[in-house]
Amino acid sequence: GAGVSQTPSNKVTEKGKYVELRCDPISGHTALYWYRQSLGQGPEFLIYFQGTGAADDSGLPNDRFFAVRPEGSVSTLKIQRTERGDSAVYLCASSLGGGRSLNEQFFGPGTRLTVL
Amino acid sequence: AQKITQTQPGMFVQEKEAVTLDCTYDTSDQSYGLFWYKQPSSGEMIFLIYQGSYDEQNATEGRYSLNFQKARKSANLVISASQLGDSAMYFCAMGNYGQNFVFGPGTRLSVLP
Repeated sequence: GAGVSQTPSNKVTEKGKYVELRCDPISGHTALYWYRQSLGQGPEFLIYFQGTGAADDSGLPNDRFFAVRPEGSVSTLKIQRTERGDSAVYLCASSLGGGRSLNEQFFGPGTRLTVL
Repeated sequence: AQKITQTQPGMFVQEKEAVTLDCTYDTSDQSYGLFWYKQPSSGEMIFLIYQGSYDEQNATEGRYSLNFQKARKSANLVISASQLGDSAMYFCAMGNYGQNFVFGPGTRLSVLP
């Protein structure tokens, strides 16, 4: 069975460039989460989707970060004018449902972003 | 604001012995869930165990059990009969219904042969 997939697995870019990170959740999972994990730290919440809408985007650090999930499945995290401090592993997770239920999150392998 | 505290940056345990990893949390919500995840050096996040705030029984999953003390806001993970493959980072996390998830800073567990 297919788990959560993320592409690319590695992304190297230059300061100031635009990047897109893609997440394919498990089929049928309505909830999707994006996290950022720096070396030696726990995942830091960025944004949570329930279906197509962002139910909580309070973790996005600034307006350079944006995420979409137009059809309620695949999600794209977009980072404009990248900075060296954006370098981290970006993790995506999906679960059966949010809202009135709390379910185990299944994580993807992550995208390692390096901003030179 | 929600917060997870894991006060043990690193722990050592002898193979086949039990170990307890500490987790305390802070929330003003009445309904929430507590999770433990394992992250080996390969980087993937592996779900271990879940405890709901209204669950009266402590959760157990094989060699993992969660020592849930609601009044003290603690959710410690107990691993029995440690194995070499248990060496990894362990994260405690908390989620509220319909809202974000918060992870703790993690504890690095090393199992000694």
